[in-house]
Amino acid sequence: GAVVSQHPSWVICKSGTSVKIECRSLDFQATTMFWYRQFPKQSLMLMATSNEGSKATYEQGVEKDKFLINHASLTLSTLTVTSAHPEDSSFYICSASDRTGGLMNTEAFFGQGTRLTVV
Amino acid sequence: AQSVTQPDIHITVSEGASLELRCNYSYGATPYLFWYVQSPGQGLQLLLKYFSGDTLVQGIKGFEAEFKRSQSSFNLRKPSVHWSDAAEYFCAATGTYKYIFGTGTRLKVLA
Repeated sequence: GAVVSQHPSWVICKSGTSVKIECRSLDFQATTMFWYRQFPKQSLMLMATSNEGSKATYEQGVEKDKFLINHASLTLSTLTVTSAHPEDSSFYICSASDRTGGLMNTEAFFGQGTRLTVV
Repeated sequence: AQSVTQPDIHITVSEGASLELRCNYSYGATPYLFWYVQSPGQGLQLLLKYFSGDTLVQGIKGFEAEFKRSQSSFNLRKPSVHWSDAAEYFCAATGTYKYIFGTGTRLKVLA
């Protein structure tokens, strides 16, 4: 199946700094990428959807100025957590799909996740 | 509103016993349905998916799921559980582009 690589797998940063997480589709063109946040022992909550070359669409309650998403190419999307605070500590997961084939290509492939700890 | 419900937060079974994890969905039309497994600190691994056709879907690791339109359900089953199956299981649905996840079921396997 299609492979999505997420980097880094874990990161620790100081409060007030920014952290960038990369999500790459290795063997397909990801026209659409999704970013999720998962709190401990909870489900995945969609943060935003990005289409290549377009601005991301954020879910209600997600601060777009805090979580910057860039999807500049068909194989790479980045999530930057700006001015991180301890409450931003979480597990972030990306997924990607190729929607050029229509609805039958709605399957998304998930990265392995990034554990962010803000101290 | 679209939703996916996993009624069981925790399930404990003995190794070798059968397993069924429940999933119900609420959608305007029949969505595409998925089951994922997540080990602690890891990403999601796809177990199986249903798009259309045969309502009994076979997946990896000996799992299967049955789509029942009349019950809006997509329950996951395994005839004999192994200790390595202990993990979190998520049911998900998508109709167009947005995935909606259930809250997950944590499976514990007793030796």
